[in-house]
Amino acid sequence: DAGVTQSPTHLIKTRGQQVTLRCSPKSGHDTVSWYQQALGQGPQFIFQYYEEEERQRGNFPDRFSGHQFPNYSSELNVNALLLGDSALYLCASSPRAGGVNTEAFFGQGTRLTVV
Amino acid sequence: AQRVTQPEKLLSVFKGAPVELKCNYSYSGSPELFWYVQYSRQRLQLLLRHISRESIKGFTADLNKGETSFHLKKPFAQEEDSAMYYCALRGNQAGTALIFGKGTTLSVSS
Repeated sequence: DAGVTQSPTHLIKTRGQQVTLRCSPKSGHDTVSWYQQALGQGPQFIFQYYEEEERQRGNFPDRFSGHQFPNYSSELNVNALLLGDSALYLCASSPRAGGVNTEAFFGQGTRLTVV
Repeated sequence: AQRVTQPEKLLSVFKGAPVELKCNYSYSGSPELFWYVQYSRQRLQLLLRHISRESIKGFTADLNKGETSFHLKKPFAQEEDSAMYYCALRGNQAGTALIFGKGTTLSVSS
């Protein structure tokens, strides 16, 4: 099991552009959460997907959107990129069925730089 | 407001010295508390959670509901403990998101 995999690992975009980041969850996991980690900060929750629907959302603007596919993989889309969107984007997966005693596994992250 | 506070950005100790990484939280209800660790060039991984009440790599953490704290402790630090440590909380319902502190860098030198 490769665990949680994210692609690409690094990305450079220009202000105003749009970006799509991808995540494949750990085998057996059906819930995917996305986090933004700015330099020197802890990860901040963006949103969570389960059964192909957004279930919970953090304090992020509508420019941030996502999708979950039937195979549980997920995409994070960011429109109209701002310099402040430069960060490490982390994907975490977990099994819903385990209830509160489940552990979230994190991917290596995608480093997005907006210039 | 739900919040996790880690007051120290950097903690430097010598090998063999005791370590305590502080974590305070604010949450209305009974959250789950976690410590995550990120070693150099590795992904974020769970170190321990309060409901397990176990010791991992010599680290322990006790939940103090009165002081709303969940400090991470180790009696004798090792150089391989050098890493970034994040305290996090999660609501006690399935599927709720993790809320992280800003992290503390632990540096252990010989």
